[in-house]
Amino acid sequence: GAVVSQHPSWVICKSGTSVKIECRSLDFQATTMFWYRQFPKQSLMLMATSNEGSKATYEQGVEKDKFLINHASLTLSTLTVTSAHPEDSSFYICSATGGRGNYGYTFGSGTRLTVV
Amino acid sequence: QKEVEQDPGPLSVPEGAIVSLNCTYSNSAFQYFMWYRQYSRKGPELLMYTYSSGNKEDGRFTAQVDKSSKYISLFIRDSQPSDSATYLCAMKGAGNMLTFGGGTRLMVKP
Repeated sequence: GAVVSQHPSWVICKSGTSVKIECRSLDFQATTMFWYRQFPKQSLMLMATSNEGSKATYEQGVEKDKFLINHASLTLSTLTVTSAHPEDSSFYICSATGGRGNYGYTFGSGTRLTVV
Repeated sequence: QKEVEQDPGPLSVPEGAIVSLNCTYSNSAFQYFMWYRQYSRKGPELLMYTYSSGNKEDGRFTAQVDKSSKYISLFIRDSQPSDSATYLCAMKGAGNMLTFGGGTRLMVKP
């Protein structure tokens, strides 16, 4: 089945530093990738949608300069949290879909970011 | 009003019980319906997806969609402690974006 690898699974960083999270589709070409943020006991909040080779589309209220998304290939998307602050601490999850005809969206295992 | 409503629970049942999880939605443009299971601190795992009204069965899981009532359900038969997780319904229209329910936390007690 479709597999999406996300890493790191957890990271602790200091305030002001940047953190990069990678999301890879291992056995299919992900034409579209999604980045979500999830707070404890809450559902997933979509941050942005990225299509391979084009700029990401950010949801309202998500700072594009803070959350940099790159989708340079059909198997890799990255989310970089720049100048991280404690309020950025959260669970970040990516999802990928092969696009047309593939209604299943495969999720990565998530990254727990703690900013101290 | 949220586009997708889902009772947050927690729902506690004894092992072996039949579990019924439900979502209602307001957007008639939704065409595809999915159920995900999420264990604590893990990414969601796709359990079922359907695109038409009616039932779809896969092992102990049955997904039911009633488009006329804008209501979907997931039934789990012979529930096991390992089924304890948060269950998220998700749906989409013609576009790519999924809209999630808030999730229902299920606890199956041995």
